[in-house]
Amino acid sequence: AQSVAQPEDQVNVAEGNPLTVKCTYSVSGNPYLFWYVQYPNRGLQFLLKYITGDNLVKGSYGFEAEFNKSQTSFHLKKPSALVSDSALYFCAVRPNTGTASKLTFGTGTRLQVTL
Amino acid sequence: EPEVTQTPSHQVTQMGQEVILRCVPISNHLYFYWYRQILGQKVEFLVSFYNNEISEKSEIFDDQFSVERPDGSNFTLKIRSTKLEDSAMYFCATRTSGGSQETQYFGPGTRLLVL
Repeated sequence: AQSVAQPEDQVNVAEGNPLTVKCTYSVSGNPYLFWYVQYPNRGLQFLLKYITGDNLVKGSYGFEAEFNKSQTSFHLKKPSALVSDSALYFCAVRPNTGTASKLTFGTGTRLQVTL
Repeated sequence: EPEVTQTPSHQVTQMGQEVILRCVPISNHLYFYWYRQILGQKVEFLVSFYNNEISEKSEIFDDQFSVERPDGSNFTLKIRSTKLEDSAMYFCATRTSGGSQETQYFGPGTRLLVL
C-alpha cells in the first residue's frame, strides 16, 4: 500500500526567506509524486510533479521540489517566500506501475508566511 | 485555461436524503475521479471511472455511493441515503488518457453538510 507523510502540520516563515515543506513517501516500485496547493475555500491546484528524469522539478509560482530516492522524499521548496504563498500544501503519490491511478495524499502542511 | 467545474458549491441535506453532486470535466479528459476531504483531514480517494465503468474504488465507496456519466459530459456522484459522516468537501478530478503519469486536475469542490 502506498502512503505519504508530511511531518509538519504547520510551517512558519518570514517573507523573503526560503521555505521547505517536507514530504516522504512509501510506494511499491518507483513513484509518481505530486504537490498540490489549497487556498481557503478553494479546490486543489496542481503545482508540480515528478515522473522521471531530473530530480529537481520546477513548477508554478516559483516552487520547486527535489526527488530523493534514497531518502524517499520529495520536499517542496521556494527560494523566497511571499505572503500570498500562505495556504495548505498537499503531497501525493501513486506508483508508476499497474493500472490503478488513484492519488494517495498526505495530511497537508499549512504554510504561514508573515511580513 | 480549461477548468473542472462542480455544482453545487454547497449542499445542505437531511440525513437519509439522496444527493447528487455534479462535475463537468475538462473537455478532452477521459479519466474521472471523486475524492473527499472531511473537515481538517486529508484528501481521500473514493472512486475512479473510465470508459463508463468504475476502474477502482476505495472501502469508503460502499453501496450507498454510485457514479455515472449520464449525458457524456457531466460526471455525477450520487449518495443514496446520506449519513452524518458523509459531511465533507467532495472533489472531482479529471485527467487525459495519456497515462497514469498525467496530472489530475481538481474542481473547486462541493461542500456537503448532512444534518
